[in-house]
Amino acid sequence: GEDVEQSLFLSVREGDSSVINCTYTDSSSTYLYWYKQEPGAGLQLLTYIFSNMDMKQDQRLTVLLNKKDKHLSLRIADTQTGDSAIYFCAEGGHTGGFKTIFGAGTRLFVKA
Amino acid sequence: EAGVAQSPRYKIIEKRQSVAFWCNPISGHATLYWYQQILGQGPKLLIQFQNNGVVDDSQLPKDRFSAERLKGVDSTLKIQPAKLEDSAVYLCASSLAAGELFFGEGSRLTVL
Repeated sequence: GEDVEQSLFLSVREGDSSVINCTYTDSSSTYLYWYKQEPGAGLQLLTYIFSNMDMKQDQRLTVLLNKKDKHLSLRIADTQTGDSAIYFCAEGGHTGGFKTIFGAGTRLFVKA
Repeated sequence: EAGVAQSPRYKIIEKRQSVAFWCNPISGHATLYWYQQILGQGPKLLIQFQNNGVVDDSQLPKDRFSAERLKGVDSTLKIQPAKLEDSAVYLCASSLAAGELFFGEGSRLTVL
């Protein structure tokens, strides 16, 4: 079945770049997403990429997709303390109705 | 635009008791989802509605969980009887079409 895996923790210093990695299994995924969850809040979409793209840049965020290896990454440039949160990788596809499957989340700690 | 509303935010019950969670999606969003998020894990889809019809409930423990979406708008998720392992945050999300999910803040359930 579908599965999304990501590392659980990442710690960086303020001002450095953060890179969060993810692998997924469903080759028919149409969208690959990054969601952000702050304490006590629901998930909020950060950015997404269509499966026919290999890169997307949005201000400080860069998403890279390697479809052959089913590998997705999120790079946050000039990481700030406000970026401390849990980042979820997710895949969305039309297997049996449109479904979004989430990974376990990567907790990003940003040290001042 | 109002976001996804959920209530209650917190609920503490004893095992074998029942509980109900309510969700009001963003106006006009045809698709509504209930996810279960256990501490330290990513959201797991319990049930997905398209208008008032069920698209996917394959992960819903039907012996104790039930959900309905009357008139294709509000939705209620019920657990009866609750077990200790049901302690989690129950997230409701809605979407206009395939793509971005909009999440509520969640209902945190503690089963003692």
